[in-house]
Amino acid sequence: DGGITQSPKYLFRKEGQNVTLSCEQNLNHDAMYWYRQDPGQGLRLIYYSQIVNDFQKGDIAEGYSVSREKKESFPLTVTSAQKNPTAFYLCASRTTGLAYGYTFGSGTRLTVV
Amino acid sequence: KQEVTQIPAALSVPEGENLVLNCSFTDSAIYNLQWFRQDPGKGLTSLLLIQSSQREQTSGRLNASLDKSSGRSTLYIAASQPGDSATYLCAVSGTNFGNEKLTFGTGTRLTIIP
Repeated sequence: DGGITQSPKYLFRKEGQNVTLSCEQNLNHDAMYWYRQDPGQGLRLIYYSQIVNDFQKGDIAEGYSVSREKKESFPLTVTSAQKNPTAFYLCASRTTGLAYGYTFGSGTRLTVV
Repeated sequence: KQEVTQIPAALSVPEGENLVLNCSFTDSAIYNLQWFRQDPGKGLTSLLLIQSSQREQTSGRLNASLDKSSGRSTLYIAASQPGDSATYLCAVSGTNFGNEKLTFGTGTRLTIIP
């Protein structure tokens, strides 16, 4: 079955470390997105990419970086510059075009220790 | 800037009842609206997608309506079941083709009491 796979499910980061969250999709979707979810807040957009080798900052990109070397993959790196990284991270994809909805992965919970 | 509000933040109803969840948005120039379900600690599952030119969409016991001019959408759940307990999120797409993004509400946490 087609879908989005996020790994790992749980991730622990020490102060000063960079960590990378994986997102892979086999839906042949052009666009991919990273959202952050905090308790009591709506999901907020970190980065998005509509084609390979191109990506744009979302609303809260500071302290994060991404790459899009393959259509299927859109990894997110949480750098040491992100001062409050503890959150639930969700990856999504969709076919480009306004008629299509979003498909989400199962999420990665990142905790700073 | 688009803002999406969902009221109430939490709702508890007895099993078998019909219920309505509300979503409002400030900018009516949307392209579509999507309802999602989220179980604790899990990702989002898409329930219904309504295009801006549509008034409603139905899937099983779920019916979503859209009134773009008033900036409102409702999700109607018929004959509620304990398995419907989850957080329900609505999200609207942006207004610039090619640069669209979803703006989410904070959700309604629904509990169905057996």
